[in-house]
Amino acid sequence: AQSVTQLDSQVPVFEEAPVELRCNYSSSVSVYLFWYVQYPNQGLQLLLKYLSGSTLVESINGFEAEFNKSQTSFHLRKPSVHISDTAEYFCAVRNFGNEKLTFGTGTRLTIIP
Amino acid sequence: NAGVTQTPKFQVLKTGQSMTLQCAQDMNHNSMYWYRQDPGMGLRLIYYSASEGTTDKGEVPNGYNVSRLNKREFSLRLESAAPSQTSVYFCASSDVSGGDEKLFFGSGTQLSVL
Repeated sequence: AQSVTQLDSQVPVFEEAPVELRCNYSSSVSVYLFWYVQYPNQGLQLLLKYLSGSTLVESINGFEAEFNKSQTSFHLRKPSVHISDTAEYFCAVRNFGNEKLTFGTGTRLTIIP
Repeated sequence: NAGVTQTPKFQVLKTGQSMTLQCAQDMNHNSMYWYRQDPGMGLRLIYYSASEGTTDKGEVPNGYNVSRLNKREFSLRLESAAPSQTSVYFCASSDVSGGDEKLFFGSGTQLSVL
């Protein structure tokens, strides 16, 4: 069975500072990895995904994540955050050949002006 | 394009009452899902349906039943609501078998069981 661990439940960061949100996964087979974002009072939206190929994936709003198979990690980074990045971020994993998507417990990113 | 539509948006039940949460998608997706979101626990999969006519249990299926009525609709039923089922429920759909890994979520149903 697959599982996802997000160790940081809350991350406060000053505006324009860099941020890293950590995600580790566990699976006995190959996986697809995702980051979803939930803005206040909204549903979840896909931020970025790793399916295959380049281990570094980027989103349109400046976030990036790197798949590290040896460390079973898929950490999310942004070099300079903005107030508008305030949201909850969820890492998710899906095993090859399985329809089930498993989410982590989420990390609430708070931007301090 | 409506995407994924959930009804109702809010519901208050008394312990023991029953209700059905409705979900419909207009994107011709094969896969549909029901998740619940609780503080500190993220999203947990209740049931999913990989295709019309099939349903499978997720992480927390106890106390729930589902029906994949057709390709568009996937309903979630609480037969005898309990306070532990107070949560925000999200329906989602995707076209995993078609190569699109993206889940599309509805806007959620906030359920309180007293």
